[in-house]
Amino acid sequence: NAGVTQTPKFQVLKTGQSMTLQCAQDMNHNSMYWYRQDPGMGLRLIYYSASEGTTDKGEVPNGYNVSRLNKREFSLRLESAAPSQTSVYFCASSEAAGIVMKTQYFGPGTRLLVL
Amino acid sequence: AQTVTQSQPEMSVQEAETVTLSCTYDTSESDYYLFWYKQPPSRQMILVIRQEAYKQQNATENRFSVNFQKAAKSFSLKISDSQLGDAAMYFCAYRTDLNRKLIWGLGTSLAVNP
Repeated sequence: NAGVTQTPKFQVLKTGQSMTLQCAQDMNHNSMYWYRQDPGMGLRLIYYSASEGTTDKGEVPNGYNVSRLNKREFSLRLESAAPSQTSVYFCASSEAAGIVMKTQYFGPGTRLLVL
Repeated sequence: AQTVTQSQPEMSVQEAETVTLSCTYDTSESDYYLFWYKQPPSRQMILVIRQEAYKQQNATENRFSVNFQKAAKSFSLKISDSQLGDAAMYFCAYRTDLNRKLIWGLGTSLAVNP
């Protein structure tokens, strides 16, 4: 049981390049999330997927797209990277909301540097 | 709109001592959940403790406990017998069942001095 895994761990891009951050969870969770973390800004939600087949925008969706490929996988794509997207990206997952409170489980993060 | 405020950007504590990290939140909801997450230098977010708003009893997990004051909208984290491995960023977070999104504070950086 690996929990939430993310690839790659670290990436350097040039402005205008594209890339996809991969995330997978093996806990059979319904909901998955992408965050970015910047100094002094805390964690900000980019996109989330409440269940397989659905995605919704978070606080800072501009410049990103997501795909909920199946229940396990939720990818984040940068179509044309900009220096402002230099950040640490976290993927998280949780079971569906309900009577019992559910916790978000985080991956190890991806450090992205856009030059 | 819900907000979470951590008023202490940095804290320090001596090894084996006790430290309390503050968190306040603003909400009009009556049912919600509160969390403390730890982020060590490895960057991974780790759940420390959670509290359901409908429970009056304060949550406890080993050396970690909370002081939940619902009327005051306060949710502080107490770390007893602090250890060097407790050094990390600590984030307070809030969510309701209306959606699955967490609202995050900006974090408190905790240093543990030997």
